[in-house]
Amino acid sequence: DQQVKQNSPSLSVQEGRISILNCDYTNSMFDYFLWYKKYPAEGPTFLISISSIKDKNEDGRFTVFLNKSAKHLSLHIVPSQPGDSAVYFCAASEYSGAGSYQLTFGKGTKLSVIP
Amino acid sequence: EPEVTQTPSHQVTQMGQEVILRCVPISNHLYFYWYRQILGQKVEFLVSFYNNEISEKSEIFDDQFSVERPDGSNFTLKIRSTKLEDSAMYFCASSVEVNVLTFGAGSRLTVL
Repeated sequence: DQQVKQNSPSLSVQEGRISILNCDYTNSMFDYFLWYKKYPAEGPTFLISISSIKDKNEDGRFTVFLNKSAKHLSLHIVPSQPGDSAVYFCAASEYSGAGSYQLTFGKGTKLSVIP
Repeated sequence: EPEVTQTPSHQVTQMGQEVILRCVPISNHLYFYWYRQILGQKVEFLVSFYNNEISEKSEIFDDQFSVERPDGSNFTLKIRSTKLEDSAMYFCASSVEVNVLTFGAGSRLTVL
């Protein structure tokens, strides 16, 4: 049961252009959404997040959009840089008690930014 | 910048052997987690730990798995009798109160 879906396993974008990574979820109890970036041989690194009470959060070149009615979120990277080439994981969380947040991850989208 | 450190980076073991994966979370974090990623699959939650006890665990985290915080800094994951399907990258993570987890670089476990 995939509660968080990233339907595109890979994406190639020209340097300087916009990268748009998409994510869909099914669990309406999710209240916080995150994007993690992962380079080979490293752990996932937090990139940006958004609470379910917002529809947009921006941090430099990265913007996350949330459409709750569609249960869809997207990550926009503009302009894309070669160093952005990595696997991007969408994750969603719901409060699971005692201050603990269990993250449910998508399968990831491998972004390749072509110089 | 504070980081979560994990050892070993790679462990090869025979099926049926016990394995202990070690993690040093960020010092002021209170919540600790183990996740795993089987090759080609998604990152999966195993267990969360708070106040010296398990706060939540997934179906994957069966009786073969245990976690411990033996001292003030280490957080360990023990697999009592490894199976072939336990081969995966195991990620430790820690957090303060917010949702943002900081992950370690992972320990790759290969069960032969």
